[in-house]
Amino acid sequence: GENVEQHPSTLSVQEGDSAVIKCTYSDSASNYFPWYKQELGKGPQLIIDIRSNVGEKKDQRIAVTLNKTAKHFSLHITETQPEDSAVYFCAASMYGGSQGNLIFGKGTKLSVKP
Amino acid sequence: DGGITQSPKYLFRKEGQNVTLSCEQNLNHDAMYWYRQDPGQGLRLIYYSQIVNDFQKGDIAEGYSVSREKKESFPLTVTSAQKNPTAFYLCASSIGRDYEQYFGPGTRLTVT
Repeated sequence: GENVEQHPSTLSVQEGDSAVIKCTYSDSASNYFPWYKQELGKGPQLIIDIRSNVGEKKDQRIAVTLNKTAKHFSLHITETQPEDSAVYFCAASMYGGSQGNLIFGKGTKLSVKP
Repeated sequence: DGGITQSPKYLFRKEGQNVTLSCEQNLNHDAMYWYRQDPGQGLRLIYYSQIVNDFQKGDIAEGYSVSREKKESFPLTVTSAQKNPTAFYLCASSIGRDYEQYFGPGTRLTVT
């Protein structure tokens, strides 16, 4: 089955710097890759997602890139702010197939220092 | 105000007791899911339901049971057979199986 690895497990940046979180997946049939932000004690919030028919997607300060050949995808946050501090999870899924469940990485705790 | 509600936020039970966690959504979503989250771990799928009166086991269904009698409700029962029930439980829903999933606020269950 699908396996998703996420790195780094913790990331500390200075306010205004960029942050990059990387995930690799094992099943080349996976075609949907969402990113979630989870604040302490709350449920995950979908912040951006990408499907395998595109290589990059942006939404203001957040972008996701996908390299299907290498089977990895990354979250990029520019001009980080203290409110970006949270745990970020990547996930992969094979939408349209019999195994369409989301498989999550173990998360990255991002700390943005003012 | 549309969304997913989970209650209670915190739940305490003694070992050997069954406990039911509530999940309600007013988004008119067909699909609903239950995940378990442990410290330092990603989310793991317990059960999911694509339509009323139908549900499927996820990756870690042992010791859990669900029902889907109404479109808006998907309660999860943690039975005494679940060996390590203490965890943060998250409910999610989506329009359909292959659409974006949205999560509720979670229920933290502690069993002693």
